[in-house]
This record gives sequence, C-alpha cells and structure tokens, in this order.
Amino acid sequence: GAVVSQHPSRVICKSGTSVKIECRSLDFQATTMFWYRQFPKKSLMLMATSNEGSKATYEQGVEKDKFLINHASLTLSTLTVTSAHPEDSSFYICSARGGTRDRGLSYTGELFFGEGSRLTVL
Amino acid sequence: AQKITQTQPGMFVQEKEAVTLDCTYDTSDPSYGLFWYKQPSSGEMIFLIYQGSYDQQNATEGRYSLNFQKARKSANLVISASQLGDSAMYFCAMRDDYKLSFGAGTTVTVRA
Repeated sequence: GAVVSQHPSRVICKSGTSVKIECRSLDFQATTMFWYRQFPKKSLMLMATSNEGSKATYEQGVEKDKFLINHASLTLSTLTVTSAHPEDSSFYICSARGGTRDRGLSYTGELFFGEGSRLTVL
Repeated sequence: AQKITQTQPGMFVQEKEAVTLDCTYDTSDPSYGLFWYKQPSSGEMIFLIYQGSYDQQNATEGRYSLNFQKARKSANLVISASQLGDSAMYFCAMRDDYKLSFGAGTTVTVRA
C-alpha cells in the first residue's frame, strides 16, 4: 500500500483562488519532503525541499510567495498555490524520506512518492 | 551541477521482447545514486531499480536490470520480456543529498 498519500488527486479551480495540496507520510516520520512539478509528457522539476519545523528551500526560479510550503509536522507537508492562474495548471507530486524509522530511505536510498495532484486552473 | 540525459523520447517494443532505455549522467561527485522510475498514465511514480556509484555489480530487480558503465557515465535500463503493462514513461534520476534530478523521460509503448 501507499506510504505517502497526496490529496486531492485532482482539483479544478477558478483563476485567482488558492489551492492547498497535502502530502502525508502514512506510517513513517518524514523529516524531509520534496515537491515536484511536472508538465504533460515532461520531466519532474524539483520546486522545493521541505524540512519539518523550518522554512522550505526553493529551487531557483520558483516563486516563494506563489507556492507556499508548510511542513508543520513529521507526517504532513502542504503546498498552497496562491492566486492560481491557468499557467499554474500542472501535475504536482511530493516525495518523502524517512526520519527516525527511516521508512523513506531503504538501503537503496529510495524515496517514496505520493500519487500526485493534477491542478487545472480555469 | 548534475545533469541527466535521456535521448530517446519514445520507443516501441514488441511484447515479450527486451528493450533498452538509455541514460547518461554527469557529476563531479564520486558518490552518487542512480534510479529508474516508471510513470504510468495514472501519474504515480513507481520505483524500479537503484544503482550506487560504488556498487561493483549491476543492479537487477526481476525483469529490470541496469547496465551500469561508470567510465562512460551511463546507466541504461533493460526491461526483459516486455509486457503490455510496461507501457509507460520511464525516468532516469540521480540523487544528490536525497534530492533527485530527473531526465526528460522515455515513453515506452509495448505492442501486442
């Protein structure tokens, strides 16, 4: 079963509204979560790295005020797309690595991915 | 800076045949990890196989094997005995402090 869960899987919103996407680690404590954005048929682009209890680290070119990331607990990180516009329509996916139980990091160094959230801004 | 290159945007393969997906990388870090992920049309990322830079042997996981040529900086994925369910997009990725950098991906279509 899934160890990282994302919600909602699909969301359609009007231009100008804000949308929150949740990423939860189900049975392990995720000290670090990563948020990616993927355009159709394209690669995943890392947006930001989220560490529990501290400010997220954004990749170059990603607007911090546009994409608000909160990692308030060891099992939950949220991505809020503020004042969404049609160009923000995309597939957003999170991944997590483990903390004390380290479920997100096996001997292979594997990260666990959420199911992804498809955002459509009208 | 890291760079992952997948030069094959799309491939067709006949069912039961093997297919090789190319991946080259560039890094100055002697310690790194290479991954292959499968992304079906539903969108989820499915981990397939991992190769560490210090691993002596090529990684294998069932029908997946990784042809790791360190000197050439290539990490090609071989899928043997292709199945219709293998149709998906495949991404090569490199790990740097648990952040992953992804290649552009290769779409594989398996024909019956």
